[in-house]
Amino acid sequence: DTGVSQDPRHKITKRGQNVTFRCDPISEHNRLYWYRQTLGQGPEFLTYFQNEAQLEKSRLLSDRFSAERPKGSFSTLEIQRTEQGDSAMYLCASSSPTGNSPLHFGNGTRLTVT
Amino acid sequence: AQKVTQAQTEISVVEKEDVTLDCVYETRDTTYYLFWYKQPPSGELVFLIRRNSFDEQNEISGRYSWNFQKSTSSFNFTITASQVVDSAVYFCALRSEKTSYDKVIFGPGTSLSVIP
Repeated sequence: DTGVSQDPRHKITKRGQNVTFRCDPISEHNRLYWYRQTLGQGPEFLTYFQNEAQLEKSRLLSDRFSAERPKGSFSTLEIQRTEQGDSAMYLCASSSPTGNSPLHFGNGTRLTVT
Repeated sequence: AQKVTQAQTEISVVEKEDVTLDCVYETRDTTYYLFWYKQPPSGELVFLIRRNSFDEQNEISGRYSWNFQKSTSSFNFTITASQVVDSAVYFCALRSEKTSYDKVIFGPGTSLSVIP
């Protein structure tokens, strides 16, 4: 179990640029989640996958955000035309499909939009 | 709608004191799961404990214990003999499962400071 890994750890970008983050889940986990966390707040759900299928996307997520998990392994989260309000920690987590399985989180990608 | 409330924003205790973190949840689902996570200053969220909705037995694991009361929709978490290393933000989380729907909702967190 190598844990959930996220890349990059930090990303600084200018407003209007596109950014892409990568998440590699724990290999035997078929569920993968993306969350966003701002300072002083709890993680906010963005979207989740079961294998390669994206099963839910938060209504709070604008059309500038898109996520993929093409082969049911790693996932990418892309933000187009970034805005300063997108600055946050983006967390990836994975879990096995049983209901009481906890989410295992990566260290996150901290995005700063200038 | 599902919701998790943690009314305590910040708590400070002196080392070796016991501390209880409160969590109140809302869900219409009959089957759900509750979790507590810890987020130390390093930032990584770490899973601590879980409870199924159909099992109200309270348990103790080392210095951690939890009190799940379905009648009041509460899932409180207690740390006994607190230590400085317990200083962190603690999140309560709720997970419900329906057919193809599975989402984990987190509360706003309680920041715990343990003073030596």
